Amino acid sequence: EDKVVQSPLSLVVHEGDTVTLNCSYEVTNFRSLLWYKQEKKAPTFLFMLTSSGIEKKSGRLSSILDKKELFSILNITATQTGDSAIYLCAVVRNYGQNFVFGPGTRLSVLP
Amino acid sequence: EAQVTQNPRYLITVTGKKLTVTCSQNMNHEYMSWYRQDPGLGLRQIYYSMNVEVTDKGDVPEGYKVSRKEKRNFPLILESPSPNQTSLYFCASGTDGVEYEQYFGPGTRLTVT
Repeated sequence: EDKVVQSPLSLVVHEGDTVTLNCSYEVTNFRSLLWYKQEKKAPTFLFMLTSSGIEKKSGRLSSILDKKELFSILNITATQTGDSAIYLCAVVRNYGQNFVFGPGTRLSVLP
Repeated sequence: EAQVTQNPRYLITVTGKKLTVTCSQNMNHEYMSWYRQDPGLGLRQIYYSMNVEVTDKGDVPEGYKVSRKEKRNFPLILESPSPNQTSLYFCASGTDGVEYEQYFGPGTRLTVT
């Protein structure tokens, strides 16, 4: 059975800290891995990763994929209270938009 | 404004009473999906559609039906809702190819008593 696992499930840090969120997967017919941020509403897209070893960056956020070890990490540097959210990892498999999501990591950033 | 809309946003109903949650997108996307989100389980895909009249099951299709008669609309139908279908439902649309970015609707919170 395909699965996506995220760790930790919950994390509390203080502003300015750096955090690393983990996502591992066991999925048949892997195509891509995506990260989303979910605040008190619908998820919003952060990154899509298809190739191993190529880091994607957006401001203080960065992410990388390791297709040999079947995992991805999402790094957030100099965290701010606005980074508080659930971070979701998802894998696209097969064809079309057949997604499987992990349970999410709930990040709380304290002032 | 590019968006995915869902209606209703909140619904409380009783077991066995058929209901439909509508989803519409104005971005001319080929792909549309329905998800349910439950605490500790993340998002689980119910059904997805690659184009008009083309639908496929996700991981949790039991108890749900969908149809895609028009590109912009993808309604979710619960023929006989049960309490275990109480959940937060999201519709999403997107494109294939280089990017698989999905745009999510605002969500529908359904309670079945």
